[in-house]
Amino acid sequence: DGGITQSPKYLFRKEGQNVTLSCEQNLNHDAMYWYRQDPGQGLRLIYYSQIVNDFQKGDIAEGYSVSREKKESFPLTVTSAQKNPTAFYLCASSSLGGDRPLSGANVLTFGAGSRLTVL
Amino acid sequence: GENVEQHPSTLSVQEGDSAVIKCTYSDSASNYFPWYKQELGKRPQLIIDIRSNVGEKKDQRIAVTLNKTAKHFSLHITETQPEDSAVYFCAAPTGKLIFGQGTTLQVKP
Repeated sequence: DGGITQSPKYLFRKEGQNVTLSCEQNLNHDAMYWYRQDPGQGLRLIYYSQIVNDFQKGDIAEGYSVSREKKESFPLTVTSAQKNPTAFYLCASSSLGGDRPLSGANVLTFGAGSRLTVL
Repeated sequence: GENVEQHPSTLSVQEGDSAVIKCTYSDSASNYFPWYKQELGKRPQLIIDIRSNVGEKKDQRIAVTLNKTAKHFSLHITETQPEDSAVYFCAAPTGKLIFGQGTTLQVKP
């Protein structure tokens, strides 16, 4: 599936529950990202990681948590603190390099996405 | 904070016409400007990108132009076809990759 796999594709959650979305890549990419997609708002960055055991908050990190214990994996947990979690979540990865290696200026490969619905 | 503004949010054209989508960015240090296309129900995919050492890049019916002085770049699609219908996103790196809000392009047959 293009080297980056997200699961599950669809997920339903009751209010007050935490859920974890999986993202695995076999592209040997150093950087991984989580975006949230809502209609009319484009892709908003939740968290990103450029190296194992390190990650940074994006623009909308509140109510989310991540881990990067392995280069290949970057799971996202949507916690009960996220007030409006219903959305389409996209994971992406990229290589690093170039004159601004931390700038994100490399091609992103996206997963197929996970659609989370809160009941 | 750093941001990327994209316009228009929706665009409807007749098949065969041209379509232009414009993005402006705020970080003058940005030097890489990709465009992604997301067809309905599918993942975004890179369609063209440009680096700041050139002003224009073409790939068949699509082209991207960059004006670093004005801090804007544009996607041009010529001879549009129904399969060009999709959501298009621009992006600019500002320490991380920031996306524009997206443009929904509808090509009417």
